[in-house]
Amino acid sequence: EPEVTQTPSHQVTQMGQEVILRCVPISNHLYFYWYRQILGQKVEFLVSFYNNEISEKSEIFDDQFSVERPDGSNFTLKIRSTKLEDSAMYFCASSETPAGETQYFGPGTRLLVL
Amino acid sequence: GESVGLHLPTLSVQEGDNSIINCAYSNSASDYFIWYKQESGKGPQFIIDIRSNMDKRQGQRVTVLLNKTVKHLSLQIAATQPGDSAVYFCAETSNTGKLIFGQGTTLQVKP
Repeated sequence: EPEVTQTPSHQVTQMGQEVILRCVPISNHLYFYWYRQILGQKVEFLVSFYNNEISEKSEIFDDQFSVERPDGSNFTLKIRSTKLEDSAMYFCASSETPAGETQYFGPGTRLLVL
Repeated sequence: GESVGLHLPTLSVQEGDNSIINCAYSNSASDYFIWYKQESGKGPQFIIDIRSNMDKRQGQRVTVLLNKTVKHLSLQIAATQPGDSAVYFCAETSNTGKLIFGQGTTLQVKP
């Protein structure tokens, strides 16, 4: 069964450093998403991406965040200068179509900012 | 504002019993709802969905009920098994596909 994959599974970084989280969405999916989940809290939407453009972003997704689809398979989330409060699980998701279709989630990257 | 919530943070049931997990949503314009299951250290896993033109949908051992009048969603799990132990989230979609998640209910299944 096709699945979303993410690397790395864990990332530890120093405050102020840049991190890049990587995702490989399901191959025939066209819509991509990043979510985050702070420990013990609900999953929060960060950004949606389609046709090499951001479709929607949340208030969390400020200028320190960026997304990119550098090739036909990868989808990345970059945090330019990490803050302590960026520590969370980051989930990538993908879907065939946007509204009204199931999004399939990857296993997540646990980011710890020290 | 936007919010999707669940009524109870933790639900404890005996193995073999039926479980009911509830969710209240606030956006009456939402037209698609999903239940996700999240096991420890893993990503949300799709369980079942329902569109706003339906009030009930059944899957394998799971049923989702939608009451648009009171903006209430529930997930019923029949014959709950230890493998059902997880956190369950309801979510709604906007017309852009953004998922708005509720707080989550932890289901504990006692053997």
